[in-house]
Amino acid sequence: GNSVTQMEGPVTLSEEAFLTINCTYTATGYPSLFWYVQYPGEGLQLLLKATKADDKGSNKGFEATYRKETTSFHLEKGSVQVSDSAVYFCALIYNQGGKLIFGQGTELSVKP
Amino acid sequence: GAVVSQHPSRVICKSGTSVKIECRSLDFQATTMFWYRQFPKQSLMLMATSNEGSKATYEQGVEKDKFLINHASLTLSTLTVTSAHPEDSSFYICSARAHQGEHYEQYFGPGTRLTVT
Repeated sequence: GNSVTQMEGPVTLSEEAFLTINCTYTATGYPSLFWYVQYPGEGLQLLLKATKADDKGSNKGFEATYRKETTSFHLEKGSVQVSDSAVYFCALIYNQGGKLIFGQGTELSVKP
Repeated sequence: GAVVSQHPSRVICKSGTSVKIECRSLDFQATTMFWYRQFPKQSLMLMATSNEGSKATYEQGVEKDKFLINHASLTLSTLTVTSAHPEDSSFYICSARAHQGEHYEQYFGPGTRLTVT
């Protein structure tokens, strides 16, 4: 079946460090891929998305590229801030009307 | 952008009582909304898909008589936790699906923290 696997957290970084959160997926066909962010005590916010192979989603300094050959959608940011501390979820929708399938989430903690 | 609200944001209720949570799409119409449950430090678990004007579709293992879903209009879905028990304490999040060009996107509400005492 369709699934999403993320690297385990928590990930602890110092401010201005480089961030990578790995995400790989299993799906037949061509899903759309998403990264959501959840700040403490809040719901989910869409961070970025990519709808086809080789697309790069970007927002607020975060980037992720849809890699069909490696079935990956790794999240990166060149210089993290304390305010980026949150839980990050990778997700896919297999078809246009389908359900979101979430990874298990990766907690990021950025220290000053 | 599309905004989804939930009410209440927090609720504490006594065991055996029922609690209703509202999910509204504020600036778009949503024929489909989703209800999720999230335990501490865990991912979101889809409970059910709410379709306007028809019965909700529940995921395996979710009791439909326990978690009543009503989607009476294109902007409102409600989740009622009936005869709540302490094990129902959780963070409940809804989302509403919107059409974005050729694709769909889901917009999430801020969540409702339910505590059953």
